[in-house]
Amino acid sequence: DGGITQSPKYLFRKEGQNVTLSCEQNLNHDAMYWYRQDPGQGLRLIYYSQIVNDFQKGDIAEGYSVSREKKESFPLTVTSAQKNPTAFYLCASSRRTSGRWGGDEQYFGPGTRLTVT
Amino acid sequence: AQTVTQSQPEMSVQEAETVTLSCTYDTSESNYYLFWYKQPPSRQMILVIRQEAYKQQNATENRFSVNFQKAAKSFSLKISDSQLGDTAMYFCAFMPNNAGNMLTFGGGTRLMVKP
Repeated sequence: DGGITQSPKYLFRKEGQNVTLSCEQNLNHDAMYWYRQDPGQGLRLIYYSQIVNDFQKGDIAEGYSVSREKKESFPLTVTSAQKNPTAFYLCASSRRTSGRWGGDEQYFGPGTRLTVT
Repeated sequence: AQTVTQSQPEMSVQEAETVTLSCTYDTSESNYYLFWYKQPPSRQMILVIRQEAYKQQNATENRFSVNFQKAAKSFSLKISDSQLGDTAMYFCAFMPNNAGNMLTFGGGTRLMVKP
């Protein structure tokens, strides 16, 4: 089955530690995205990538870093510089059709709940 | 930059009744796409419905339909014959054309379907 996997589902870390969240897709999608969701709120874009070895900052990139070395993988590192890292993190992907970004939907992974104490 | 506003933080509806969720957006784009996503308690985001701005016809998916008013920049979601499984957060989202399929989300509406 094609889809997006995120691991682990729950992650606990001590303050001051960096932590990396995994996101893998086997949909052959060009674009991948990371969102942060706080309780009762909408999704805010952290980083996105439209092609391998390239990525751009979203609205709330401070304290986060990403890499896109393979088309199917887009890991997110939450660094110790992120002041309030406890949140639910969602990864998504989307395809480009016939070389155009034509409004195809974003497909989402199941998310990772990160708790930092 | 685009903004998406969902003015109803919470709503409730009786099972089998109809409910409408509101969404307005602000953009200077002429061609774009609009989406409704559902996030049930499992927190898995699921696409409910998609609308292309250049199409005047409102999108429909089974019990879900939209009322797209381009001039008013309004995109409401109607759920008919509400079911207990419709209980979820619903997010309205805006996507400009040819911009990497980027989404801007509204703040969400929490819908409770009561038996």
